[in-house]
Amino acid sequence: ETGVTQSPTHLIKTRGQQVTLRCSSQSGHNTVSWYQQALGQGPQFIFQYYREEENGRGNFPPRFSGLQFPNYSSELNVNALELDDSALYLCASSLSGSSYEQYFGPGTRLTVT
Amino acid sequence: KQEVTQIPAALSVPEGENLVLNCSFTDSAIYNLQWFRQDPGKGLTSLLLIQSSQREQTSGRLNASLDKSSGRSTLYIAASQPGDSATYLCAAENNFNKFYFGSGTKLNVKP
Repeated sequence: ETGVTQSPTHLIKTRGQQVTLRCSSQSGHNTVSWYQQALGQGPQFIFQYYREEENGRGNFPPRFSGLQFPNYSSELNVNALELDDSALYLCASSLSGSSYEQYFGPGTRLTVT
Repeated sequence: KQEVTQIPAALSVPEGENLVLNCSFTDSAIYNLQWFRQDPGKGLTSLLLIQSSQREQTSGRLNASLDKSSGRSTLYIAASQPGDSATYLCAAENNFNKFYFGSGTKLNVKP
């Protein structure tokens, strides 16, 4: 059974550019959530996908968007990057339902200059 | 909106000491509460998940309790070891699979 993987590990972008981050869910998991973690803070919920549909969204602007594919892998896209978007981006997969744990990937460290 | 607070923000203890980490949440209508460990620059490792119908969960030297009525959870670590040094995060699940995190407690266990 493979765990949650994310790519790339690190990324440096310039303000105004666009970025795509990728996540492969743990085998058998149909739900993926994305989080932004600024330095010294807890993760903040961005959105969740369940069976390719957005299933909830946190307090993030529309320039944060996502996709989930039939194999349950997922992408997070951020347009018009701002300096404050610099953070660790984490994805977590789980089975649907409130009794299941979330399993996190190692994260992508995004730096916007 | 759910607010999750963790106290203390940092803790330094000698090896072998028993310790308690605290987590409080403002909305008691939670489904689950989950404790995680995070090593510097890394992702999160799940430690314990307490469902809303449960009062505690145990795994090895770790014990987590949940009191929904008072909006509190505690993580008890017995006989702490230097390898326990990490940031410990609690997360409350409100709506379906949406977790709200505290800012964490940074634990340093001194040899």
